[in-house]
Amino acid sequence: ETGVTQSPTHLIKTRGQQVTLRCSSQSGHNTVSWYQQALGQGPQFIFQYYREEENGRGNFPPRFSGLQFPNYSSELNVNALELDDSALYLCASSLRSGQAHPYEQYFGPGTRLTVT
Amino acid sequence: AQSVTQPDIHITVSEGASLELRCNYSYGATPYLFWYVQSPGQGLQLLLKYFSGDTLVQGIKGFEAEFKRSQSSFNLRKPSVHWSDAAEYFCAVGAARGSTLGRLYFGRGTQLTVWP
Repeated sequence: ETGVTQSPTHLIKTRGQQVTLRCSSQSGHNTVSWYQQALGQGPQFIFQYYREEENGRGNFPPRFSGLQFPNYSSELNVNALELDDSALYLCASSLRSGQAHPYEQYFGPGTRLTVT
Repeated sequence: AQSVTQPDIHITVSEGASLELRCNYSYGATPYLFWYVQSPGQGLQLLLKYFSGDTLVQGIKGFEAEFKRSQSSFNLRKPSVHWSDAAEYFCAVGAARGSTLGRLYFGRGTQLTVWP
């Protein structure tokens, strides 16, 4: 069984640039959630993808967007980067069946984004 | 709205001592509750979860947690701490239904230091 993987591990970008982060979900999982973890804070929910559609969004502006592909992998895109976007971005996968959501979310190692 | 409070930012214990990490949550119905552990530079690993039933739940690495509805608490315990337990611990709550179905709300974490 393959766990959740994320790429790249680290990334340095300049303010105003755009970035794409990638996530491969755990084998058998169909739902991907993205979280932002600022230094010294707990993870904050960005959004979730199920059946290739956004299914719930946290308090993040539209410049944070995502995609889910037929193989359930996912991308997080951030446009017009700001200094405050510097954080660890975590991807979590889970198995959802209809309205049942057992919430066992399994996290990847994260992508550390630094915006200068 | 759901929220999680971890009152202790940093706890230091001696190896072999017992441990209790506190977690209080705010949620209008029966919550789904979780404890995750994060080692430096790593993603989150699920320690244990509570969905329903027995209020004392066992997890991995010898951890247990007790759900107390009357106190809105879900404290994490371990009878004897090992040096390898040094890490950051996050409590999280999830909604069983409604518009926030599928997302986790995290506390800001408790950093555990273990003295030899």
